[in-house]
Order: sequence, then C-alpha cells, then structure tokens
Amino acid sequence: DAKTTQPNSMESNEEEPVHLPCNHSTISGTDYIHWYRQLPSQGPEYVIHGLTSNVNNRMASLAIAEDRKSSTLILHRATLRDAAVYYCILRDGGYYGGSQGNLIFGKGTKLSVKP
Amino acid sequence: DGGITQSPKYLFRKEGQNVTLSCEQNLNHDAMYWYRQDPGQGLRLIYYSQIVNDFQKGDIAEGYSVSREKKESFPLTVTSAQKNPTAFYLCASTLAVSYNEQFFGPGTRLTVL
Repeated sequence: DAKTTQPNSMESNEEEPVHLPCNHSTISGTDYIHWYRQLPSQGPEYVIHGLTSNVNNRMASLAIAEDRKSSTLILHRATLRDAAVYYCILRDGGYYGGSQGNLIFGKGTKLSVKP
Repeated sequence: DGGITQSPKYLFRKEGQNVTLSCEQNLNHDAMYWYRQDPGQGLRLIYYSQIVNDFQKGDIAEGYSVSREKKESFPLTVTSAQKNPTAFYLCASTLAVSYNEQFFGPGTRLTVL
C-alpha cells in the first residue's frame, strides 16, 4: 500500500493560514490524495481530495506538487473549530472492486489552534 | 436529515461477553465499513461491505463478525475471541466502493471490564 508521511503535530494562530504537508513519494498514477479530519471523540470528516490538479472547496484548498510526491492542505483562516487531527490518505482509484479502493489511515497531524 | 447513526455512544461489557454495535444509514449508500481506533492511532479497517448480503474482511477481522441483511444496516459483533476489544469503533458508508467520500458515524466507545 502506498504510504504517506505527515508531521505529528503543528500549531497555528487563529485567523492565520495553515499549511499541512504530506509526503507520498511512492504514489502511483491511479492514487487519489484524500484529506480527512477528526475532531476529538468524533468520527472523521471528509475535507478534500485530488488527483493531479490543485483543488478548492468551501473547507480548504489542496495543492499537489507537479511530481505528485507531496501535497499540502491549506486552511485559509484557521479557527478554533479547525483544531483536529488531519489525515492525508492515498486511495487507489484505478480498481473499483476488492480492497484496493479502501482508505488507509495513518496517525495524521494534530493541529492546535491558539486564540 | 440524512446520515449515519451508531448506538450506543458508550458501551461497557464484561470480559468474555459478545457485544453487538449498531450502525444505520439513511443515505442510500451501497458500501459500508467498520473501523477500530485505539488511543493516539489512526483507523484500522475491520470489515467492509460493498452490497447487501456481501462483506469482506479488512486488516483486523479476527474476533469480529458482521452481517449485511439490509442496505441501511451493518451491525458489528465483537466476540469473546477478540483479545483487546476496548477501543473506539467507527462505522462509515459511501455511495459505492469507487466513490471518493466516506461518511462517518459518531462512533461507539466500547470498554471491556
């Protein structure tokens, strides 16, 4: 399985942008890059995903390196509610059956937001 | 409102007892999943089901069993064969296995005494 590497923890100040990095040097051509976040004692929540191009949605932006070996989740203005564990996950989009399409969660990055 | 419900939120059981965790979704999703999360760790896949009456083992299926008799329900039984059952259990669903976004329930925290 393709693996990701994320820092264990990061800190941010409220209302400042946050850049959460993820390395995935063994990514394959059919792997999608997914980001989920998990607030304390809750289930994970989908944030964003992408394949090659940068992506934007109401929650965040995803910047993908040209060689696809790294990506960055960008929260444009951190709020206290953004304090969570953020997971960067590779998901094989090239096979629509079996376990290859399943999400594999690592330990993620714990983001703390200071007022 | 559409979503995934898990009940109960907290569950206590004595060692050696089987226990069944409930997961219901009204999103009309075909695929459903069960994950286990230990403190400070990521999620690990226990079982998944792509369609009614079909399910597959995930990475840590030993000591667990599931059924998928209805599209909206995917109960997980933690049996006495599971060596360390105390954990946070999360259920998720998605439109289909090929679909990109998984929706998660609020979780059940199981403590075995």
